[in-house]
Amino acid sequence: NAGVTQTPKFQVLKTGQSMTLQCAQDMNHNSMYWYRQDPGMGLRLIYYSASEGTTDKGEVPNGYNVSRLNKREFSLRLESAAPSQTSVYFCATAQGSREKLFFGSGTQLSVL
Amino acid sequence: DQQVKQNSPSLSVQEGRISILNCDYTNSMFDYFLWYKKYPAEGPTFLISISSIKDKNEDGRFTVFLNKSAKHLSLHIVPSQPGDSAVYFCASRETSYDKVIFGPGTSLSVIP
Repeated sequence: NAGVTQTPKFQVLKTGQSMTLQCAQDMNHNSMYWYRQDPGMGLRLIYYSASEGTTDKGEVPNGYNVSRLNKREFSLRLESAAPSQTSVYFCATAQGSREKLFFGSGTQLSVL
Repeated sequence: DQQVKQNSPSLSVQEGRISILNCDYTNSMFDYFLWYKKYPAEGPTFLISISSIKDKNEDGRFTVFLNKSAKHLSLHIVPSQPGDSAVYFCASRETSYDKVIFGPGTSLSVIP
C-alpha cells in the first residue's frame, strides 16, 4: 500500500537547470497539492488541483508550473531553478474538501 | 500576509503535563481546521480536525478547541509523552476553494 509516492527523494541542481518532481497516488483521491517547507515558514502551498484537469495557484506559485496528468499523477516543474527554490517539497492528496490530507515523504532539493 | 499563524516557534513541556499549542487565522471564510504532526525526514501526518460548526473535538489524548469569534484554535495534549516531541502544524481550509493553508509550525519537546 504505497499511498503517496514522490520521486526523486533527493536532487541537486545548478542555477538555471530545469527538473520535474513527480507525485503519484494510489488512493483514488480527487485533490492533490504541492507544498514547500522552509525553516520558520512552515508548509507553503505552491499549487493545487481539486480534480483531474484543473489546477490553481497557491501562496507561492512563482517559478513553478504544474501538470495534473491524470487522477493519479501531479507533477511540479521548475523551468529555471534558483537558489531560493532550495527547499523540501511535499506532495499531498485528499479525497474531498472536508477530508484530511495525506502526505508523501518529501523531496529534498538543493539549488547551487 | 500569513493567513494562519502559530506565534510560538517552540514549546517545552514535562512528561505527563498538558501541552497547549495555539493557532490564529485571519480568513473568516475558513471553515475546516486540521492539526498535523511532523517528525524529521518524514511527511506530516494527520492528527485531528474540527469543523467550524463545532467548538471542540476530542480523540484520545488530543483535543482541539475552536473559538470562531476570536479566529483562534488550540490543540491540547494530555498527558504529554516523549513520543509527542515533533513539529505541529495548524492548517485551515476554505472548502469552497479546496485550498489548505498551513501555519509555520510549533516545535514541541516533551521532557522525560
